[in-house]
Amino acid sequence: DAKTTQPPSMDCAEGRAANLPCNHSTISGNEYVYWYRQIHSQGPQYIIHGLKNNETNEMASLIITEDRKSSTLILPHATLRDTAVYYCIVRVTTSGTYKYIFGTGTRLKVLA
Amino acid sequence: NAGVMQNPRHLVRRRGQEARLRCSPVKGHSHVYWYRQLPEEGLKFMVYLQKENIIDESGMPKERFSAEFPKEGPSILRIQQVVRGDSAAYFCASSPPGGKSYGYTFGSGTRLTVV
Repeated sequence: DAKTTQPPSMDCAEGRAANLPCNHSTISGNEYVYWYRQIHSQGPQYIIHGLKNNETNEMASLIITEDRKSSTLILPHATLRDTAVYYCIVRVTTSGTYKYIFGTGTRLKVLA
Repeated sequence: NAGVMQNPRHLVRRRGQEARLRCSPVKGHSHVYWYRQLPEEGLKFMVYLQKENIIDESGMPKERFSAEFPKEGPSILRIQQVVRGDSAAYFCASSPPGGKSYGYTFGSGTRLTVV
């Protein structure tokens, strides 16, 4: 099972910031939080990842709470092309191997 | 710097035929993962392979499905005697060896339609 929970859907006005929350209350101390998005039926696209500190790149910012039990992905100026399903993922480790288990994600709709 | 290459992009098979899906990882990546996505659903983990080894196949159906990642050449996901329920998008991802912080690079997927 996925180790994260996200709201199923969100709307955001074009040009405004989109803030997508994620809960990962069972995250281990050395586990990273990853964000991907899937536009239409394309392959998932990597956005950003982080461990403890807030991270920023050309696509987005990632804010991780101090207790690491939740995080927020911020798209600073959402455009129509940002309409997609956004997945917050924490790697699952079993028997010494690890893999990403995708949850249901948040379907973000950017409105004109 | 090519990403993950999957082919074919679209594959149509009649019930009972075999489907072969290919995945060439990013150059230098030795870890490959296969996911399946049914229409209007999320991605479901199927199998994790390293060169010549299956590391985790906990998401693979017990029958008809197999995967390999030979020393040379692409990773192959094989589905024997396909049924309508196998119709889905199959995504492959790769990652470099070691380093728990590395994310996955995904391919564009193969859309399998069973008629």
